[in-house]
Amino acid sequence: SAVISQKPSRDICQRGTSLTIQCQVDSQVTMMFWYRQQPGQSLTLIATANQGSEATYESGFVIDKFPISRPNLTFSTLTVSNMSPEDSSIYLCSVESKYNEQFFGPGTRLTVL
Amino acid sequence: LAKTTQPISMDSYEGQEVNITCSHNNIATNDYITWYQQFPSQGPRFIIQGYKTKVTNEVASLFIPADRKSSTLSLPRVSLSDTAVYYCLVQNSSASKIIFGSGTRLSIRP
Repeated sequence: SAVISQKPSRDICQRGTSLTIQCQVDSQVTMMFWYRQQPGQSLTLIATANQGSEATYESGFVIDKFPISRPNLTFSTLTVSNMSPEDSSIYLCSVESKYNEQFFGPGTRLTVL
Repeated sequence: LAKTTQPISMDSYEGQEVNITCSHNNIATNDYITWYQQFPSQGPRFIIQGYKTKVTNEVASLFIPADRKSSTLSLPRVSLSDTAVYYCLVQNSSASKIIFGSGTRLSIRP
């Protein structure tokens, strides 16, 4: 199994600012995934991040709003840019094991005022 | 990726067996079925995965009929701590990304 940590665990931000969320894995992984989960809702995949290449975004998500970095095989960041209250959500990163099961981080709870 | 449909919510009592059924009519030959569990304020946790017939591990069983258009997660002798949201997903063996459906909110009562 993989152990994933995220920072910050929660934050309250002002409209128009940006927040960068960090995701750290205790082992090297090829792909990392970023999800958003709004209160009481299911998870929505934002993008897939491969080390050394541009992230692949799902429909409805764009790089200018959610830039992603993947500098090495154990780390990734997701930035939520120019935030509005609609961005208030839990953001989760995940990685896939060699057995095709995914391990999720604890999430970052973001509130935008 | 095949779309999945599962009940929005289910209630049961401690000690009972709970069966949650998921339909995935458009499942492809290379797809397999995975179930995740999510507690409040936590990320989802892998429960079980299967391709056909029956799979059993220490926490659950997964039943998949021959046509694979549905699957049933079986939780034996549930306890209060099994109260969670359960997600059924269909994954392609050649692609890593997974798409979550709406999930089933399971409530266990004393």
